[in-house]
Amino acid sequence: DAMVIQNPRYQVTQFGKPVTLSCSQTLNHNVMYWYQQKSSQAPKLLFHYYDKDFNNEADTPDNFQSRRPNTSFCFLDIRSPGLGDAAMYLCATSRGDTRPWGDTQYFGPGTRLTVL
Amino acid sequence: GQNIDQPTEMTATEGAIVQINCTYQTSGFNGLFWYQQHAGEAPTFLSYNVLDGLEEKGRFSSFLSRSKGYSYLLLKELQMKDSASYLCAVRDTNRDDKIIFGKGTRLHILP
Repeated sequence: DAMVIQNPRYQVTQFGKPVTLSCSQTLNHNVMYWYQQKSSQAPKLLFHYYDKDFNNEADTPDNFQSRRPNTSFCFLDIRSPGLGDAAMYLCATSRGDTRPWGDTQYFGPGTRLTVL
Repeated sequence: GQNIDQPTEMTATEGAIVQINCTYQTSGFNGLFWYQQHAGEAPTFLSYNVLDGLEEKGRFSSFLSRSKGYSYLLLKELQMKDSASYLCAVRDTNRDDKIIFGKGTRLHILP
């Protein structure tokens, strides 16, 4: 089955210790997104890739970086995690056939990050 | 700017019908999505409305009124597995068609 996969499902890191979350997709979608979702809050878009073009949200902290080495994979790097970065991190994809935005997004199961 | 408002929590009984409302204010509306999210899991797509009216899909229906900036998600014949958060999300043409999510409505189903 075509899907969006995130690893690991649960990640524990220490304050200030870099951590990388991964996302892969078998949907062959052009667009990949990273969202941060804290408890009882809306998913907050951090950035997205349209193919190889990286688009950062204006309010995404510099502490968050992303890489997309190929169509299938996308990584979220948190360079120096703080306690406030503990959250669920959701990866999503969309087709993006005619434009980068606006298509239905398909989400992975998320990675729950704990910062000690 | 953009505001998306939906109730924080609702409770309904198994077998009943529940309507979850969403109101939005956006400078450039171009479609509204409903997603279901079970606790600790990712959102899953339920419906998409861009024209006024009702879209029916099995036990779930979604309604849109563009002039009123209003949508609702109607869930019929409620089942225990419908206990989840329901996220309203709006596409904004004045923000490059980005999809902005509301905070979600947590629906509790009682037996």
